[in-house]
Amino acid sequence: EPEVTQTPSHQVTQMGQEVILRCVPISNHLYFYWYRQILGQKVEFLVSFYNNEISEKSEIFDDQFSVERPDGSNFTLKIRSTKLEDSAMYFCASNPAFSYEQYFGPGTRLTVT
Amino acid sequence: AQSVTQLDSHVSVSEGTPVLLRCNYSSSYSPSLFWYVQHPNKGLQLLLKYTSAATLVKGINGFEAEFKKSETSFHLTKPSAHMSDAAEYFCVVPSGTYKYIFGTGTRLKVLA
Repeated sequence: EPEVTQTPSHQVTQMGQEVILRCVPISNHLYFYWYRQILGQKVEFLVSFYNNEISEKSEIFDDQFSVERPDGSNFTLKIRSTKLEDSAMYFCASNPAFSYEQYFGPGTRLTVT
Repeated sequence: AQSVTQLDSHVSVSEGTPVLLRCNYSSSYSPSLFWYVQHPNKGLQLLLKYTSAATLVKGINGFEAEFKKSETSFHLTKPSAHMSDAAEYFCVVPSGTYKYIFGTGTRLKVLA
């Protein structure tokens, strides 16, 4: 069964460094998302992406964040200058057209020190 | 705007007894609704989904949920809890086409 994959599974970085989290959505899906979950808290929406542009973004998704689908298969989340409060689990998700059901990747745990 | 409220942050049950995890939704129309489970240090797994076909929805691992429009509820139940059910459970409602709104989660503890 097709699945969403994410790399790396765990990323440790120093405050102020740039990180790129990578996701490979399911191949025939059209909508892509990033969510984050700070330890012990609920899952929060960051951004949705469709037709090579951002569809919607939350207040969390400020100028430090960007997304890209560089090659038609990968979907990346970049954080330009990480802060301690960016430490969280980041989930990528995708869904096909005409379906609300999102398929989630296993997550990348980002630790900012 | 769509929203979901999970009424219990923690639920403890004994193994072999029924499980009830409560979720109420707020929507201006009949929404789709989902339950996801997250085991410790794992990703999000879809348990079941309601998409208006049938009000009683059966999911994986013996879980089911009933959509009750009159009560704006979508409670998750299981007749007999197993130790492996210990996890965090999220009720989710899509908002428009483009994002999920997650509830705050219910941590289920199963006692031996």
